[in-house]
Amino acid sequence: AQTVTQSQPEMSVQEAETVTLSCTYDTSENNYYLFWYKQPPSRQMILVIRQEAYKQQNATENRFSVNFQKAAKSFSLKISDSQLGDTAMYFCAFRSNTGNQFYFGTGTSLTVIP
Amino acid sequence: GAVVSQHPSRVICKSGTSVKIECRSLDFQATTMFWYRQFPKQSLMLMATSNEGSKATYEQGVEKDKFLINHASLTLSTLTVTSAHPEDSSFYICSALEAGLQETQYFGPGTRLLVL
Repeated sequence: AQTVTQSQPEMSVQEAETVTLSCTYDTSENNYYLFWYKQPPSRQMILVIRQEAYKQQNATENRFSVNFQKAAKSFSLKISDSQLGDTAMYFCAFRSNTGNQFYFGTGTSLTVIP
Repeated sequence: GAVVSQHPSRVICKSGTSVKIECRSLDFQATTMFWYRQFPKQSLMLMATSNEGSKATYEQGVEKDKFLINHASLTLSTLTVTSAHPEDSSFYICSALEAGLQETQYFGPGTRLLVL
């Protein structure tokens, strides 16, 4: 079974600064998908960014970017110019290319300090 | 992005009654939907995978007779909590995979269930 590990239960960052959330995963597969989801206090899960394992280029979405290290099975999320609205739980998720099930990490609670 | 709605957003019921939660994909067809349960400050716990036109696949430890799932169309899946008890109180979230583009899961806003 696939496992996803987020080793930082809580983090904080000063507004306008940069923060990196870590995620590692375990799989024997070569093709898969990785995701970061954000869950703000409203509890609506929002897709932040996704990465296909076959792509070497790191995905970027505005202030959000990932550092995907396939050999190390690492998928960290970097948030630049942090904003108060970035305060949320962040979940890393893995999806195999051969099945529909997603595997979620335990989440990192990020607080942006004004 | 794709939009998934969930109704009701909040429900309070008496112990022993049944509650139905609807999950709809509004602007895409979803052959697969998922139902999760989330406890406060915890991750999502997958309850079952709902496939259009077939029986749902339940995760180990989830009672299929208690949590009835129906996926009658490509845009609607329902979760019915039968004979609800206080321990069923939780936050339930559905998600959907877009048919033909199943790499990304889109989530509904969740339903908060409180059983008195």
